[in-house]
Amino acid sequence: DAGVTQSPTHLIKTRGQQVTLRCSPKSGHDTVSWYQQALGQGPQFIFQYYEEEERQRGNFPDRFSGHQFPNYSSELNVNALLLGDSALYLCASSLNRGHTQYFGPGTRLTVL
Amino acid sequence: GENVEQHPSTLSVQEGDSAVIKCTYSDSASNYFPWYKQELGKRPQLIIDIRSNVGEKKDQRIAVTLNKTAKHFSLHITETQPEDSAVYFCAAPPGGGSTLGRLYFGRGTQLTVWP
Repeated sequence: DAGVTQSPTHLIKTRGQQVTLRCSPKSGHDTVSWYQQALGQGPQFIFQYYEEEERQRGNFPDRFSGHQFPNYSSELNVNALLLGDSALYLCASSLNRGHTQYFGPGTRLTVL
Repeated sequence: GENVEQHPSTLSVQEGDSAVIKCTYSDSASNYFPWYKQELGKRPQLIIDIRSNVGEKKDQRIAVTLNKTAKHFSLHITETQPEDSAVYFCAAPPGGGSTLGRLYFGRGTQLTVWP
């Protein structure tokens, strides 16, 4: 039973660039939520995708966007990167938008 | 998190002792309370959760208690072992059906278990 997977593991970008992160949910799950975890902090909700639509959004600017594919996998895109976007980006999957969520290993994004 | 407070931020215990971490939440409609363990450089791992219709749940050495009236819940780890050392996060959803699957996290507790 495959767990949540994310790619890439690490990424280094410069200010102003754009980045795409990828997530495959746990087998049998259909909902993907994205979180940003700054160093020493708890994860912060970015948005949630279900049935290929963004269903909820946290307090993040429009530079953060996403997509969900028919196979339930998801992408997170960040445009015009800022230094403050440096963080661990986690995706979590669940079934039918349930609260019980399982996290992937994360993508460590460093913006220079 | 926006409406989840967690304390203490650090906790050191001797191996074999118990550890307790507490969280409070503000939305009385919250109905699900998970705890995650995050080891250095690894993903947050769901270790136990409780729903609002239950007051206590146990799984071997870990337990979670919920006080809905006071709006707080706690993680209890008994007979601690060095491998319990990690950052522990509590979380809670905002109330309301439109926020299904959204979690607010506490700031975390760094637990260190000394052999």
